[in-house]
This record gives sequence, C-alpha cells and structure tokens, in this order.
Amino acid sequence: QKEVEQNSGPLSVPEGAIASLNCTYSDRGSQSFFWYRQYSGKSPELIMFIYSNGDKEDGRFTAQLNKASQYVSLLIRDSQPSDSATYLCAVNYGGSARQLTFGSGTQLTVLP
Amino acid sequence: GAVVSQHPSWVICKSGTSVKIECRSLDFQATTMFWYRQFPKQSLMLMATSNEGSKATYEQGVEKDKFLINHASLTLSTLTVTSAHPEDSSFYICSAFDSQQQREQYFGPGTRLTVT
Repeated sequence: QKEVEQNSGPLSVPEGAIASLNCTYSDRGSQSFFWYRQYSGKSPELIMFIYSNGDKEDGRFTAQLNKASQYVSLLIRDSQPSDSATYLCAVNYGGSARQLTFGSGTQLTVLP
Repeated sequence: GAVVSQHPSWVICKSGTSVKIECRSLDFQATTMFWYRQFPKQSLMLMATSNEGSKATYEQGVEKDKFLINHASLTLSTLTVTSAHPEDSSFYICSAFDSQQQREQYFGPGTRLTVT
C-alpha cells in the first residue's frame, strides 16, 4: 500500500523564524510531489510542486526532494501568522491519471 | 491560475434523501476530475476518479451505487450521494486536471454536507 507520512504536529514557530515541514513516502517509483496549504474549513491550495532531486525555491518557500531517502520537505522562511494552516504533502505515483495520495497533514502555528 | 467551482458550498439534508454536488472547471477543459472526502481533522481521501465520457473508477471501500459520479462534459462532473445517512456527513472536494495541457490538479472550494 502506497503511503505518505507526515508529523501531525502541531508545530509552533515564532514569527520571522523558519518553519520546516517533513514528509516521507513509501514507493520509490513516485514521480511528483506537491505541497498544499489548507486553512480550516477551506479546500487545499497548491503551494509548490517538485519533480527532481534537490531544492526548488519560490519566494519564501523552498521544497527539497531526496528520492534516495524517499523524503520531501517544505521550508517556510520569515514565517508569518498568515502562514498558520495545515500543510498537506501529496505524492503522485505515476501514470497519466495524476492521482494524488495525501499525507495526514501538519498543523503549523506561527506565533506573533 | 485555473478555476474550479463547486455547487452548493454547503447543504443540509434529511436522512434517506439524495444530494447532488456539481464540480465545474471554469477556464479549461477537464478530462479528468477527482472526488475526495475529508472528515474533521483528517486528510483528504480519494473516493473516485472521473474521466469524461467513461465510467468512474472508484477506490477500494467506496460504494459505487451510493456515490454516483457522472462526467458528461469536459467541464462538469457531478457526485450524487444517494440515500444519505448521518455518517455521510463530510467535506466533499473535487479537483480537476487537464491531461492534454499537463496542468496540475486544482481544487474546488468544497461542499459541506450535513445529513440530519
């Protein structure tokens, strides 16, 4: 069974700090990896996706992928209270259907 | 970015009745749509994959006769919860994907279903 694991948290960081969110996945054949942010009562919104090993930066967000370790992470620099949300890691295990398997999510709180 | 709408945003129905939820892609053609269910403080669980013009593919444990999916056009998929029961109360979210353009999945705003 293909699994995606995340620490459920809650994770609390002070405003301005770096928040680090981690995710592991079980299938070495996984092809693409996504980070979604979900506010309470809302649907997920895509933050970043990454396909290749290494780092990918977009503004305050950096996604890191290590396929050998089956590990993907999201760093949020200069964290803001508005970043407080649940962050979902999702993995596509291949194929044209683009089905996603989601982790359970990590709840992040940024303290002012 | 791509826009996906859902209607209604919330619905309350009585046990035993049926409820239809619509998912529309507003600015692209969605050859594939996905339906998810999310219970409080839990992650999204994929219910089914809906492909335009063909039958939906349901995930293990999802009753196809209870959750009817129709994807009759490239911009619309519907999920009908038949003979709803209180345990069907959940947050239902659709997402749409354009396989020809290879765009990423974009999620609708979700539908909160409460069965009394």
